[in-house]
Amino acid sequence: NAGVTQTPKFQVLKTGQSMTLQCAQDMNHEYMSWYRQDPGMGLRLIHYSVGAGITDQGEVPNGYNVSRSTTEDFPLRLLSAAPSQTSVYFCASRVTPGTRSYNSPLHFGNGTRLTVT
Amino acid sequence: AQSVTQPDIHITVSEGASLELRCNYSYGATPYLFWYVQSPGQGLQLLLKYFSGDTLVQGIKGFEAEFKRSQSSFNLRKPSVHWSDAAEYFCAVGHMEYGNKLVFGAGTILRVKS
Repeated sequence: NAGVTQTPKFQVLKTGQSMTLQCAQDMNHEYMSWYRQDPGMGLRLIHYSVGAGITDQGEVPNGYNVSRSTTEDFPLRLLSAAPSQTSVYFCASRVTPGTRSYNSPLHFGNGTRLTVT
Repeated sequence: AQSVTQPDIHITVSEGASLELRCNYSYGATPYLFWYVQSPGQGLQLLLKYFSGDTLVQGIKGFEAEFKRSQSSFNLRKPSVHWSDAAEYFCAVGHMEYGNKLVFGAGTILRVKS
């Protein structure tokens, strides 16, 4: 019972490099999302998706790109890494969107700790 | 705009003592309320949730929370804290008006003294 799996767990990048954070879930959840966690700021929503082929911006989308080609996978791309993107990134999913999806809990991965120097 | 406030950044309690973590929200209507716990190096785990009905909700690990509409609060409580409860706790709110977006508070770090 894997749930939400994120890779890698740790990553160090130089300014200007690009990389992709991977997220996969095996619960057939249609809703998937990416958050970043910074001290004293809680979790802030970067991008989310309500199903394959559908993505939308969250609170802090700049500098990040997402795509959703399958229900299972929701990768997050950093196009040109900046020190301000040093953070812990969490992927989360929940059940199929519908009239009551807004009150269903999120299932989180264990996070990716990214450092940009 | 909607917001969630957790006034306490850090709280330290002795093992066996009672605990209350505060959460206040600012929404136009009664939102859906959640408490999550995060252990070091882990993702967030749902403790409990409130949608409607009884304002006192029970969760896992002996936690409970009470929704008070007049105070726009959803405080988390536990009668007797165990050392394993040391973690960071997040309050989160959502509402159908805001679609699928959950808004999280900044978190409260709980330390437990033995």
